[in-house]
Parts: sequence; structure tokens; C-alpha cells
Amino acid sequence: IAGITQAPTSQILAAGRRMTLRCTQDMRHNAMYWYRQDLGLGLRLIHYSNTAGTTGKGEVPDGYSVSRANTDDFPLTLASAVPSQTSVYFCASSVRAGDLDTQYFGPGTRLTVL
Amino acid sequence: GQNIDQPTEMTATEGAIVQINCTYQTSGFNGLFWYQQHAGEAPTFLSYNVLDGLEEKGRFSSFLSRSKGYSYLLLKELQMKDSASYLCAVGDSNYQLIWGAGTKLIIKP
Repeated sequence: IAGITQAPTSQILAAGRRMTLRCTQDMRHNAMYWYRQDLGLGLRLIHYSNTAGTTGKGEVPDGYSVSRANTDDFPLTLASAVPSQTSVYFCASSVRAGDLDTQYFGPGTRLTVL
Repeated sequence: GQNIDQPTEMTATEGAIVQINCTYQTSGFNGLFWYQQHAGEAPTFLSYNVLDGLEEKGRFSSFLSRSKGYSYLLLKELQMKDSASYLCAVGDSNYQLIWGAGTKLIIKP
């Protein structure tokens, strides 16, 4: 693994189903982030984690949950998917938290909720 | 509220110069980033400005005026591979990035 990986690459999901998007980084970065990207809108922060064991809410956290059990992994869970969660989801990481630092992005997961 | 404004789309000719503007209104300011995003791919870091002035990096330069809430990205000697979206992002008082919707740059031969 080099950098950040995300899985799956794409997914079509029925409304009401539970879904976990996976994100793994091998750069030993402290901070990790989940964004969604929708046409015509900027990236919007869903949740973040400054370090293993801690998480925080971003701009659009409703309907999503995260966990950070270790440094490398930061899964995003949709407990009961709704069509408005159709989006491209990007995971990112940065060396430091609590300070602005370059963020490195994974390749994204394209999610469609029907 | 917090707001980042960029033009939606711009067109330029291969070999030419293009300037992509970004204006912002945020609660606090802790630096401004430019990222490049090719269609269907992840954003990648281009530049970071925290002080007023011009930062030059090869064919790309980025300018910041904090008093005007304004930045621009200047791309010189345009190449076809520069066709992409360019995202402006500002760090707010909580050190969270606020992102613009991006400017889609189309390069014509």
C-alpha cells in the first residue's frame, strides 16, 4: 500500500441499507478526514479524526458515523442510507492535526443510493 | 456565513496563460490552498499561501491578498494535461478547510 486506499471504488445501494466505506493510509499520518463531493458544491467535511481514538463532527455529519481504532484505518458508516447520500466520498489524511497541513486524498468511492 | 467563490468554468488555449480567481469570506483565516483535480480522480495539492504575495512553483504561481480576501492561481505555458478542476480552500479559525466548488479549466489546442 502506498498512500491512501479506499474501498469499494463504487457501490449501488438500496435505501435503508447499512454501508461502511473503508479508508486505510500507510503514511502514519495523525489526522484523517471524510469528505463528500457533489456537483456544483465544494468538498464538505463529514467527520474528522485528529488522532487515533478521537473523532469530531464536520459540516455535514448527520446520517454518518466514524471510528478511529488505530492510526491507519478510518471507516465511514451510513447506518441507513438515503438517496441524498448519493455522492463521491473522499478520505484524506494529513501529518498534523490542529494546524493547517497539506491533505492527501484517497481515490474516492462513488456511492449511489436508490 | 462562510463562502468561497470561484468561476465555474474557464477556457484557455494551449501555450497561453490563465488566471483563476478565488474570493473568500470566512470566520478567521489560517492559510489558503489550491488543489488540482482531474476528472474522476482525487484532488492533489498545488500550493499554499499564508502571507500576502506571490508564491511561484514552476509553471504555477499563487497570489494572496488577505486584506481583500482574494487569491489567484496563475498557470503559464498551458498544456493539455492542465485540463482539470482547480479547487480553492481556506483554513478557518478552527483550522478546518472551507472549499470552493472549483473552477473547471478547459484547454483547447
